[in-house]
Amino acid sequence: AQKITQTQPGMFVQEKEAVTLDCTYDTSDQSYGLFWYKQPSSGEMIFLIYQGSYDEQNATEGRYSLNFQKARKSANLVISASQLGDSAMYFCAIIPLNTNAGKSTFGDGTTLTVKP
Amino acid sequence: DARVTQTPRHKVTEMGQEVTMRCQPILGHNTVFWYRQTMMQGLELLAYFRNRAPLDDSGMPKDRFSAEMPDATLATLKIQPSEPRDSAVYFCASRYTGVLDQPQHFGDGTRLSIL
Repeated sequence: AQKITQTQPGMFVQEKEAVTLDCTYDTSDQSYGLFWYKQPSSGEMIFLIYQGSYDEQNATEGRYSLNFQKARKSANLVISASQLGDSAMYFCAIIPLNTNAGKSTFGDGTTLTVKP
Repeated sequence: DARVTQTPRHKVTEMGQEVTMRCQPILGHNTVFWYRQTMMQGLELLAYFRNRAPLDDSGMPKDRFSAEMPDATLATLKIQPSEPRDSAVYFCASRYTGVLDQPQHFGDGTRLSIL
């Protein structure tokens, strides 16, 4: 069984500042992947960044980076230099790897508001 | 860019009517997911398929919902009869399972309103 916990229902950040969105997970799988998605008010789900449990280095994609702490079972998303367009809901998700299951589990999301 | 295509984008219909939602996964993706998103329940996994075979549909109300993959390029989700509580956004997503770092890619969703 898998579980994702996002403890921050809402977050505010000033434009151009960095923000960290928290994600903790629970899984019995030895090998798994962690994802972050962005959902703006228009409704689409946009893939942002991926981290494999086997990766020793933290994933980065442009202004997004994933602070992966395996022992603490956390996979926090860091957005640097926030922009107004970053205002959206953000979801953390986990999926088992090396298995035929492949069923992903999503957290409840964090709503980020970037203030000018 | 390759995209997951969902139709229709919006659907408004009366209670009791049949609703069919369609999804064209990204070419080459072998795993297809159906999700439902509401304010109250968040994002719920309804069903998913691997190589067209249903792997898990435990999240789906069996009496009125059905999901199928007639071929590798089409997944369908049907509701019959529809009820007002089915009003939600329904997302289809696909990924390739077999390469470790493949994310799910989502379609734009079908916004369903049952009156």
